[in-house]
Amino acid sequence: GENVEQHPSTLSVQEGDSAVIKCTYSDSASNYFPWYKQELGKGPQLIIDIRSNVGEKKDQRIAVTLNKTAKHFSLHITETQPEDSAVYFCAAYREGGSYIPTFGRGTSLIVHP
Amino acid sequence: DSGVTQTPKHLITATGQRVTLRCSPRSGDLSVYWYQQSLDQGLQFLIQYYNGEERAKGNILERFSAQQFPDLHSELNLSSLELGDSALYFCASSAQGGRGTGELFFGEGSRLTVL
Repeated sequence: GENVEQHPSTLSVQEGDSAVIKCTYSDSASNYFPWYKQELGKGPQLIIDIRSNVGEKKDQRIAVTLNKTAKHFSLHITETQPEDSAVYFCAAYREGGSYIPTFGRGTSLIVHP
Repeated sequence: DSGVTQTPKHLITATGQRVTLRCSPRSGDLSVYWYQQSLDQGLQFLIQYYNGEERAKGNILERFSAQQFPDLHSELNLSSLELGDSALYFCASSAQGGRGTGELFFGEGSRLTVL
């Protein structure tokens, strides 16, 4: 099955700095790579996703890059704000048909004002 | 609001007991997933149901069972509870079971504490 590694487990930055979270996956058949944000006391919520036919996707201050050859993808957050503080999860799986969404262990991002 | 409802939000019980966690998926979603989140652990997949049938199984203990009813709500039953079962249990739903978008919509979780 799929195995997703996520680093770092904790990331502390100053407000306004950039933050990068990296994930690797093992199953070359995976074609969907979402990122979820989990705020304290809430369930994870999708913030951005990328499919295997695209190398990069951007949504305002958030961007995701995908390197299929190396089987890794990254989340980039620019101009971080205190409200970005949360746990971020990456996932990798195959859309369509039978699949199991496999998640990384999460990164706790702390943005200091 | 994701549209996924989980009850109860908090549950405290003793070792050896049995509890049932309930999940109502987003309107129209046929797939329901159960995940366990322990301290410092990621989201561990337990089981998936699609339109009433079990679709996939993860590292779910034999003491745990689940089902999805005709109205598509799902229940996760945890029995002979142990201290190590204390965790946050998430239900997620998606429209996908066949082809389509892969986004999962998560509930706010049920926090189980076993004393």
